[in-house]
Formats: sequence, structure tokens, C-alpha cells
Amino acid sequence: GAVVSQHPSWVICKSGTSVKIECRSLDFQATTMFWYRQFPKQSLMLMATSNEGSKATYEQGVEKDKFLINHASLTLSTLTVTSAHPEDSSFYICSASGGSGPYNEQFFGPGTRLTVL
Amino acid sequence: AQTVTQSQPEMSVQEAETVTLSCTYDTSESDYYLFWYKQPPSRQMILVIRQEAYKQQNATENRFSVNFQKAAKSFSLKISDSQLGDAAMYFCAYFGNEKLTFGTGTRLTIIP
Repeated sequence: GAVVSQHPSWVICKSGTSVKIECRSLDFQATTMFWYRQFPKQSLMLMATSNEGSKATYEQGVEKDKFLINHASLTLSTLTVTSAHPEDSSFYICSASGGSGPYNEQFFGPGTRLTVL
Repeated sequence: AQTVTQSQPEMSVQEAETVTLSCTYDTSESDYYLFWYKQPPSRQMILVIRQEAYKQQNATENRFSVNFQKAAKSFSLKISDSQLGDAAMYFCAYFGNEKLTFGTGTRLTIIP
């Protein structure tokens, strides 16, 4: 299967700082990338969907000014958590898909654990 | 909005035995996709099996098979000959309106 990487795999930051997480598709062109959030012992919740070169579409309840998503190329999407606070501590997972069919398989990255002190 | 329900937060099975994980979903669409994902302790999401709603035949992948009941909106996963490496969180997921919706997950424990 296709490979998706995330960097960093874990990050600790102070409250009020911003953190950027990268998601890369290593061996395919990702026309669409997705960002999920997973709290401990809970399911994955979709935060936003981004298409290359377009603005991201955010799910209801997700603050677009706090979670900035950029999908500038077919292999890279970034999620920036601005002015992070302890409640933003979570596991963030990206996925990527390519193609133009009714369903294109999503390949998941290994996730990034964010801890805000 | 689509919802996915997994009513079994935890399940356990003896090694080499068979276990079935339940999933129900709610949708008004007629064409969609259903999935089972495995999330081991590494947290990497792994696709286990996929079912297209327009296909009546149940999907099978080696020891993994599904029982897809479209009218009942039910999509259960059967794991045969359970192995220690099957221990993980299992998420049922629905794809529609261009996005995946996940259930709350079932933690599967394999008893040696």
C-alpha cells in the first residue's frame, strides 16, 4: 500500500505557542488529505478535508483560525495548531488519497502526539 | 448525518477461536462504502476489509470476513483462527459525502 508519513511523531510545547505538523505522501500524489483528532480511548474525529491548492473544508465545531491547514502540493499538507492550550493535547492523524473515483482509499499516517503544557 | 455504532467496547477471544465484532450504521444514502480498520498499540490505522454497498456478496480477506446486511444497516466483522497479533482496537467506518465516519471502536483481546 501507499505510504504516508507524519512529522514529528510527538511534540511537547508550552501553552500559547504554535505547533506545525507535516503530513507527506511518499509514493503517490495525494489530491485530498484529511486531518483527524483522536482523544485517549476514543475514536477518530474528522477535523478537516483539504484538496491540493484549495482552502480546507472544516467540520462543524472545528475552529479554522486555530487549526490552520495548508495543502500546497500533491505530497504535503500541514496542520498548524495556533496558540496551543492544554485542551489541544491529543493525537493527530492525517490520511491521504489520490484519484478521482467515487471512493479513493485513504492511507493513514502514523500520527502525531501533541502535549501542551 | 451518518452515524456508526459499535455496541461492544471490549471483546476477548481465545487464540485460534472465532470472534465477531458488531457494527451498525445509519444513512439515507444508497451508495456508500464500509470498512473495518485495526489500530494496534502503535496507533497506525490499518485497513482490514472493505465492502461496497452495491455489492451483495460479503467481502473476505483471508481470516477476516464480513456479514453485510444492507436492509438492517449492519456490518459485522468475523475473525477466524484468532492470532495474538489480532489484538487491537477495531473501528468500523462508513464512507459517504466524501468523508469517513468512525464508530467508537471495540478493543479486542486475544487470550493465549
